[in-house]
Amino acid sequence: KNQVEQSPQSLIILEGKNCTLQCNYTVSPFSNLRWYKQDTGRGPVSLTIMTFSENTKSNGRYTATLDADTKQSSLHITASQLSDSASYICVVSPAQGAQKLVFGQGTRLTINP
Amino acid sequence: DTEVTQTPKHLVMGMTNKKSLKCEQHMGHRAMYWYKQKAKKPPELMFVYSYEKLSINESVPSRFSPECPNSSLLNLHLHALQPEDSALYLCASSQDWLVYEQFFGPGTRLTVL
Repeated sequence: KNQVEQSPQSLIILEGKNCTLQCNYTVSPFSNLRWYKQDTGRGPVSLTIMTFSENTKSNGRYTATLDADTKQSSLHITASQLSDSASYICVVSPAQGAQKLVFGQGTRLTINP
Repeated sequence: DTEVTQTPKHLVMGMTNKKSLKCEQHMGHRAMYWYKQKAKKPPELMFVYSYEKLSINESVPSRFSPECPNSSLLNLHLHALQPEDSALYLCASSQDWLVYEQFFGPGTRLTVL
């Protein structure tokens, strides 16, 4: 069964600190993996998207890594800001049935001043 | 224009009401999606339209009726909803069903009394 698991479920850090969120998936074969940021009550916004052949992708203070062999991805946030408080969702697109994305449960990140 | 817009932002309706949610995109995307998202859960796919034709219906109750009047517009007609249908309804679009980058709208917060 195609699954995406994220850890931790929630995380609280101080402003200015770095953090890393984890994503493990069993989707195979897969086409790409993406990380979304979702503010409460708002739609998800894409941060990064990586194909199976890519190892790393950066978007400002966000850096995603992908290890297709171990089926793991991480999202590293550097120099966190209060506006980074949100849910971060890992989403995997199967190679077949591309319309049906497989969503992780998300990590709820809270940045405290 | 790289935006998916949704109206209304908030909707409160009784169980006997008929209402509609609207989604619009002007990116030339040919695939459009409706998702339902409950609090602290990932989005759940409801419907997919590809080239204005319904291609996926995830066994959604008939009280939800999608409509795609043209390639830029997607509606979700609501009738005789239940309180458990209260959720954030997200619209998304992608270039076509083979392209996996989905752009999400801000969502409509629906409350059924």
